Amino acid sequence: QSVLTQPPSVSGAPGQRVTISCTGSSSNIGTGYDVHWYQQLPGTAPKLLIYDNSNRPSGVPDRFSGSKSGTSASLAITGLQAEDEADYYCQSYDSTLSVYVFGTGTKVTVL
Amino acid sequence: EVQLVESGGGVVRPGGSLRLSCAASGFTFDDYGMSWVRQAPGKGLEWVSGINWNGVSKGYADSVRGRFTISRDNAKNSLHLQMDSLRAEDTAFYHCVRGSYSGHDPSNWFDPWGQGTLVTVSS
Repeated sequence: QSVLTQPPSVSGAPGQRVTISCTGSSSNIGTGYDVHWYQQLPGTAPKLLIYDNSNRPSGVPDRFSGSKSGTSASLAITGLQAEDEADYYCQSYDSTLSVYVFGTGTKVTVL
Repeated sequence: EVQLVESGGGVVRPGGSLRLSCAASGFTFDDYGMSWVRQAPGKGLEWVSGINWNGVSKGYADSVRGRFTISRDNAKNSLHLQMDSLRAEDTAFYHCVRGSYSGHDPSNWFDPWGQGTLVTVSS
């Protein structure tokens, strides 16, 4: 079972802003470990979207932004586009389990 | 172009074994730690195992510790996962991923990802 909790789904109309939360605990995000985000388009492998809480790799649109506070992190998508329909996962490290951990995943639907 | 290509998946009976391989290209392989991440069909992501740049430091998820063994061959730019005593719950796509650092660092992120190879454990 995942130790990072995300909402199963979020949706929005084109152009709107949506946010995805990633809730952890004192043994992972709360310890200060960085949070990273991945986008998985249908039928494809996950792709790095945000690293070190808020940094975008080259090629990722600035519509995507990340933040972290306390035991949680968030991914925001502004100006939602049809091509953003995908599953999104957060990832961090857990010091109690000594493993990398992923969030439960969130499906973004563009209405 | 940085590329990771997995092979070795297939159908195996419970209790059986498989050896997965990942061919890396487009980057200096021994500058990076590597991991395997799996995804059961229609489910979420689970980190399975990781190895540092020189193969000395290895880590495993509790769900596979004692059954799976990760290794690497830097001379051949390849990563491997020996999977023994396979169970139905090991059925998943197995992705080879590059870590952001050379070691088993808590700050590691994973980029890029291979397309994955499907392992099906069924009688």
